[in-house]
Amino acid sequence: QQQVKQSPQSLIVQKGGISIINCAYENTAFDYFPWYQQFPGKGPALLIAIRPDVSEKKEGRFTISFNKSAKQFSLHIMDSQPGDSATYFCAASKSYSGAGSYQLTFGKGTKLSVIP
Amino acid sequence: NAGVMQNPRHLVRRRGQEARLRCSPMKGHSHVYWYRQLPEEGLKFMVYLQKENIIDESGMPKERFSAEFPKEGPSILRIQQVVRGDSAAYFCASSQGPNTDTQYFGPGTRLTVL
Repeated sequence: QQQVKQSPQSLIVQKGGISIINCAYENTAFDYFPWYQQFPGKGPALLIAIRPDVSEKKEGRFTISFNKSAKQFSLHIMDSQPGDSATYFCAASKSYSGAGSYQLTFGKGTKLSVIP
Repeated sequence: NAGVMQNPRHLVRRRGQEARLRCSPMKGHSHVYWYRQLPEEGLKFMVYLQKENIIDESGMPKERFSAEFPKEGPSILRIQQVVRGDSAAYFCASSQGPNTDTQYFGPGTRLTVL
């Protein structure tokens, strides 16, 4: 059972364009939603994260939009640059004590290519 | 270097051998998580440890896999009698403590089983 579904699997965007990656989750107990960026041969690096008490969070060119009722969240990368070319993973976890707390459940990833 | 450190970065083993993967968390972090990434897949949780305690091992295969985080030294993920299906990238992450969500990942160990 895949608890976090991510789309699209791959994405090609022109330099300066907006990259949009979507995720949907099933477990309503999730209350922490981070996005990670991974370059080939490297570990995932935390990009930005959101909690369900806000609908949007922006950090520089990166914005998370969160829709609690639809159980969906998305990453928007504004003014996409070739250096943004990487694989992006959404994830979710529940941050209270109890079975399965704190473990991150990841989507399958989106390979983003930003072309000049 | 204040980041999460993992070694070795690459490990080659023949079927039936043992693999030992090491993880040193960020300075000041006492919580360690291990994840496995298969090619073209997302990361899958394996185990969550604090110093000298296994908190959650619900993602660990029942046989051949074990993990520890001793009072002194790095956390170790041990795979006995490796099989080809164990070939994957193994990532360690650390966090500051309880009720802290942010996990910081190391560069990973890429295990190849011949």
